[in-house]
Amino acid sequence: AQSVSQHNHHVILSEAASLELGCNYSYGGTVNLFWYVQYPGQHLQLLLKYFSGDPLVKGIKGFEAEFIKSKFSFNLRKPSVQWSDTAEYFCAMNMEERVGNEKLTFGTGTRLTIIP
Amino acid sequence: NAGVMQNPRHLVRRRGQEARLRCSPMKGHSHVYWYRQLPEEGLKFMVYLQKENIIDESGMPKERFSAEFPKEGPSILRIQQVVRGDSAAYFCASSPRSQGSTQYFGPGTRLTVL
Repeated sequence: AQSVSQHNHHVILSEAASLELGCNYSYGGTVNLFWYVQYPGQHLQLLLKYFSGDPLVKGIKGFEAEFIKSKFSFNLRKPSVQWSDTAEYFCAMNMEERVGNEKLTFGTGTRLTIIP
Repeated sequence: NAGVMQNPRHLVRRRGQEARLRCSPMKGHSHVYWYRQLPEEGLKFMVYLQKENIIDESGMPKERFSAEFPKEGPSILRIQQVVRGDSAAYFCASSPRSQGSTQYFGPGTRLTVL
């Protein structure tokens, strides 16, 4: 069965530090990959997604992620974080060949705290 | 364009009562997914519905849980005879079509069972 792992449960950084959050997936076929963010008190919002093509994808608010197929990874990066990036970040996947059903499999999330 | 709406935002039930959670998808979206987030865990898929059809309920507990998405009105997730273990955040997501679509999430319903 497919799964998504996020090994960093809680990350604490100072403003302007660089960020990398790890995400690994387990599935033998072709996948679509997503990063969602949940700001305090708000609903999940899509940060970025990878369906195909350029493995380096850019999202909103200066975030980017790189799909490395050989490592089954889709790490999220941001060169310089801001206090407003404090949130919970979820990596998710679905299976491309599951036409007609794109249910998402989520990781357990990474809580990011930015210290001013 | 209003986003995905869920109500209530918070629901408190005593053991044995019924819980009804509502989800109104974004305008023009005919696909609805329900997910559950237990404390300290990620979101887990429960059920996928299109209008008047359950497409995939492989994530639903076999008993006490049911879901519907009628031709008119919101999607409903119904939990009968709730137990303490049902306490969780329940999220609904909608998309306009099935392939290659982004799912847009609602704010969730936080269910507390006393």
